[in-house]
Amino acid sequence: RKEVEQDPGPFNVPEGATVAFNCTYSNSASQSFFWYRQDCRKEPKLLMSVYSSGNEDGRFTAQLNRASQYISLLIRDSKLSDSATYLCVVPWGSASKIIFGSGTRLSIRP
Amino acid sequence: DTGVSQNPRHKITKRGQNVTFRCDPISEHNRLYWYRQTLGQGPEFLTYFQNEAQLEKSRLLSDRFSAERPKGSFSTLEIQRTEQGDSAMYLCASSLSRGRGDTQYFGPGTRLTVL
Repeated sequence: RKEVEQDPGPFNVPEGATVAFNCTYSNSASQSFFWYRQDCRKEPKLLMSVYSSGNEDGRFTAQLNRASQYISLLIRDSKLSDSATYLCVVPWGSASKIIFGSGTRLSIRP
Repeated sequence: DTGVSQNPRHKITKRGQNVTFRCDPISEHNRLYWYRQTLGQGPEFLTYFQNEAQLEKSRLLSDRFSAERPKGSFSTLEIQRTEQGDSAMYLCASSLSRGRGDTQYFGPGTRLTVL
């Protein structure tokens, strides 16, 4: 099993739709998790941190299921500007080493 | 701009040449990381520093790669005898250690093309 796995997509959904994607991880000891957003040819930028069961920030909700070892990202009322690649990030081993998933591509159409 | 900066932004070199990239982290951040990212993949961890000490290196970091952070501020990543497979985006990130999942802030990256 890969350390961090994501559905690569692409997810192509209409503006205003709700979309969700999952990320599974293999290290049961991981305590905190992150979702980063990366636009084409740009650097990753932090979207949300997840330390307990979940986190909500406006239209974005991240949930953590420790028993099944996955985290999910839900985007409600999607906007054209949400089109990007969403990277799941899991700490690994030392407190500072993190592993990125390969990303899920999301495309919002008008 | 007080974010992470990287120079150069783009580098084109011929196979066999040496290249060096620089990263300036956010000023109060004590941790600095290097990653490599190829098309369609997430960033892959290469190495990280806490202050000036290099604490971990990935097996991806062959002996042609070396990184330094001599004064605990900026860092350099050198690739010797470049190969075409080294073509990638090299990302630097920094964080302030808080003991629970540091948030890493990324620079814009250096895109390396080896001809």
